Amino acid sequence: GQSLEQPSEVTAVEGAIVQINCTYQTSGFYGLSWYQQHDGGAPTFLSYNALDGLEETGRFSSFLSRSDSYGYLLLQELQMKDSASYFCAVKTGSQGNLIFGKGTKLSVKP
Amino acid sequence: DTGVSQDPRHKITKRGQNVTFRCDPISEHNRLYWYRQTLGQGPEFLTYFQNEAQLEKSRLLSDRFSAERPKGSFSTLEIQRTEQGDSAMYLCASSSDRFQYEQYFGPGTRLTVT
Repeated sequence: GQSLEQPSEVTAVEGAIVQINCTYQTSGFYGLSWYQQHDGGAPTFLSYNALDGLEETGRFSSFLSRSDSYGYLLLQELQMKDSASYFCAVKTGSQGNLIFGKGTKLSVKP
Repeated sequence: DTGVSQDPRHKITKRGQNVTFRCDPISEHNRLYWYRQTLGQGPEFLTYFQNEAQLEKSRLLSDRFSAERPKGSFSTLEIQRTEQGDSAMYLCASSSDRFQYEQYFGPGTRLTVT
């Protein structure tokens, strides 16, 4: 089967750094994506890692270790607007469909 | 471009009725995906089109579900003989061929089956 594991909830304070981990077991692996979803909103793309290492995009960074079947999303200088659910998603084949984790609900406190 | 749009945004139907949803992707995107999301879960893949060809369908998808993309532009998702378990948010997404992992989602259609 296919499974992606991520923590269900994380709480942090404004200005802090938070890391959301994702481990995966899938039949194929082409890359790991991260999406953000605010309550009542649509998922929006944050980042994608196909190769091992760290990708940085502004306050957000994403890391992948293919040998460990593990990745994480790092959010720096947290802001209240970062309160949302964050999903890791694996691209399992050459087609584009993604397998999503259950999501991590991030609450940023003042 | 105004992004991915979906219609209707909300649909309430009685069990046993048929429903159809529409998705208009970003115009230059060849690839179109349908997902279903229930509360507290991530989006679950249903089916996928490249242009007008339906290339993949989830094994979890019942025969009551059918999708089309007749001219490679908009797509429809039909659910026949709806069941209460079909209640969910139905999300459509689109992407380019090159950046398949960067999918742009529409606002979704929330289906409630009573």
